[in-house]
Amino acid sequence: DGGITQSPKYLFRKEGQNVTLSCEQNLNHDAMYWYRQDPGQGLRLIYYSQIVNDFQKGDIAEGYSVSREKKESFPLTVTSAQKNPTAFYLCASSPPSDEQFFGPGTRLTVL
Amino acid sequence: GQQVMQIPQYQHVQEGEDFTTYCNSSTTLSNIQWYKQRPGGHPVFLIQLVKSGEVKKQKRLTFQFGEAKKNSSLHITATQTTDVGTYFCAGYGGATNKLIFGTGTLLAVQP
Repeated sequence: DGGITQSPKYLFRKEGQNVTLSCEQNLNHDAMYWYRQDPGQGLRLIYYSQIVNDFQKGDIAEGYSVSREKKESFPLTVTSAQKNPTAFYLCASSPPSDEQFFGPGTRLTVL
Repeated sequence: GQQVMQIPQYQHVQEGEDFTTYCNSSTTLSNIQWYKQRPGGHPVFLIQLVKSGEVKKQKRLTFQFGEAKKNSSLHITATQTTDVGTYFCAGYGGATNKLIFGTGTLLAVQP
């Protein structure tokens, strides 16, 4: 099956801890994205990568970091510097300037 | 920076009534995409419009791209309970070639 997967589905973190969210795709897409969605809100772009070993900050990159060592993988680290990390995190991939395919998302809760 | 606004933010209809959401961009878009996100789910691509004034239909859904390529609309005829969810428009535009998502319209359908 072709698709995009995210893990875990639910994640709980204590304040002050870093946590890494996984995103994997087997669609052979060059571009991958991370979005944050808060309750009742739209999607805000955190980071995006258009090619392996390259990525750019989105609109709300502060407190987050990413890597793109492989085409299939684009993990997101939520660092302790992120002041309000509780949210729904969505990963997506796409061909150039085309529709985005979203993963099922990870719900992160900071305790 | 570039902004994409949608109205209304929320709409509650009786099953069988029509529904329309409007999308307005602060800048000209190269294309417009529409996504649907069911409650608790992730956004799923519906359609892409590219040409000025383009109109596309998918069963009860009609999508339109404005002549100036700065606005779009989604109209649902005779809503059903399966139409419940948040509808997002998204457009490519500006120098960064990022996909900018609208603020979304949450549709509730009462049986």
